[in-house]
Amino acid sequence: QLQLQESGPGLVKPSETLSLTCTVSGGSISSSSYYWGWIRQPPGKGLEWIGSIYYSGSTYYKPSLKSRVTISVDTSKNQFSLKLNSVTAADTAMYYCARQQYQLPHSPYYFDYWGRGTLVTVSS
Amino acid sequence: DIVMTQSPDSLAVSLGERATINCKSSQSVLYSSDNKNYLTWYQQKPGQPPKLLIYWASTRESGVPDRFSGSGSGTDFTLTISSLQPEDVAVYYCQQYYSTLWTFGQGTKVEIK
Repeated sequence: QLQLQESGPGLVKPSETLSLTCTVSGGSISSSSYYWGWIRQPPGKGLEWIGSIYYSGSTYYKPSLKSRVTISVDTSKNQFSLKLNSVTAADTAMYYCARQQYQLPHSPYYFDYWGRGTLVTVSS
Repeated sequence: DIVMTQSPDSLAVSLGERATINCKSSQSVLYSSDNKNYLTWYQQKPGQPPKLLIYWASTRESGVPDRFSGSGSGTDFTLTISSLQPEDVAVYYCQQYYSTLWTFGQGTKVEIK
């Protein structure tokens, strides 16, 4: 059974960099059939897609976050990571990693497996 | 961006009754080359991550009870729970994957009346 597990600091200071890692188990991150994405959810609010990455390193980012976001992949560790710099209180959210269905020649599709999420609070 | 708008924001339904949630996209999510609607539905229970319910607007994910059904095409979609059960209390989200700027609806909270 595929599992995704987010990890990283739960508290980040304003203006600093939020760094999270998603570890994939029960399946290979190097599969050609999936992208891997980050989605966040501020407390009591809805879902916001942040970005997605393929095992080759190909990425999609939400344009409004693109200047602050970097998503990378480490196939040797079956992990992918999120870095969000210059954070503010508005970046306080539950951060989820998820698997995204993909089939050439199309763009990636929906998210079918999600991690349990990790709450990141931005506060001094 | 394709804006996804759900209605209502919340609804309360008696056990065993039908619950209907609507989702409207700001532009069509029907891809002409394959005649598929690039629209999915998720269920999120309190304290849990979203769970995939339906994709391609009407295809039920494996293991999802058949009381959940999706319909619609183009810009207007509906998630129907035919007979509400206690375990269906949750927030439901639609999401489009027609554009690579993936966007979600604001969510619809379903409660028991």
